[in-house]
Amino acid sequence: GESVGLHLPTLSVQEGDNSIINCAYSNSASDYFIWYKQESGKGPQFIIDIRSNMDKRQGQRVTVLLNKTVKHLSLQIAATQPGDSAVYFCAAFYNKLIFGAGTRLAVHP
Amino acid sequence: EAQVTQNPRYLITVTGKKLTVTCSQNMNHEYMSWYRQDPGLGLRQIYYSMNVEVTDKGDVPEGYKVSRKEKRNFPLILESPSPNQTSLYFCASSFRGHLTTGENIQYFGAGTRLSVL
Repeated sequence: GESVGLHLPTLSVQEGDNSIINCAYSNSASDYFIWYKQESGKGPQFIIDIRSNMDKRQGQRVTVLLNKTVKHLSLQIAATQPGDSAVYFCAAFYNKLIFGAGTRLAVHP
Repeated sequence: EAQVTQNPRYLITVTGKKLTVTCSQNMNHEYMSWYRQDPGLGLRQIYYSMNVEVTDKGDVPEGYKVSRKEKRNFPLILESPSPNQTSLYFCASSFRGHLTTGENIQYFGAGTRLSVL
């Protein structure tokens, strides 16, 4: 069946560094992708999305890269701040959204 | 404020005692969905609704029921809860549920942590 997985369950970074969170999906027909952020005690919040006809999309301090050849997408966070500490999910859409298990990002001062 | 509201936030119950978790959205979204979140497994869809009176099973529907009598409300019903339904539950809504555009972005409630003893 379809699956979405993240490469690392946890990622520790120093405040001010850039963070890269990776995600792989199994269905090559997936044509829309979303990154969510989930802070402790809260529901997932939309960060950024990208359609399959794009390779890159930028938001405020975040960039999503999509490599359809290897079915991989990444979320890059520039100048990571303590407030970025959370669990990050990617989701791939083909008929419905399939969510990955999440990567916990820990930001250290 | 645009939001998805779930109640209760926390619930402890016993095996077999029927319960309902309510979900309401104020964004006039057509699509609503229930997920459960378990460690290491990500979000798994229980049921979804494309519109009023239209509901369908997700990936893990056993032991759950839903209804969609009004556009804004989508309650999750556990007729006879069992310990394996102990989990963190999320309700979500989006403008649409089947398009590869921003209309498919799902907005989530704050979650309901359920413990079944």
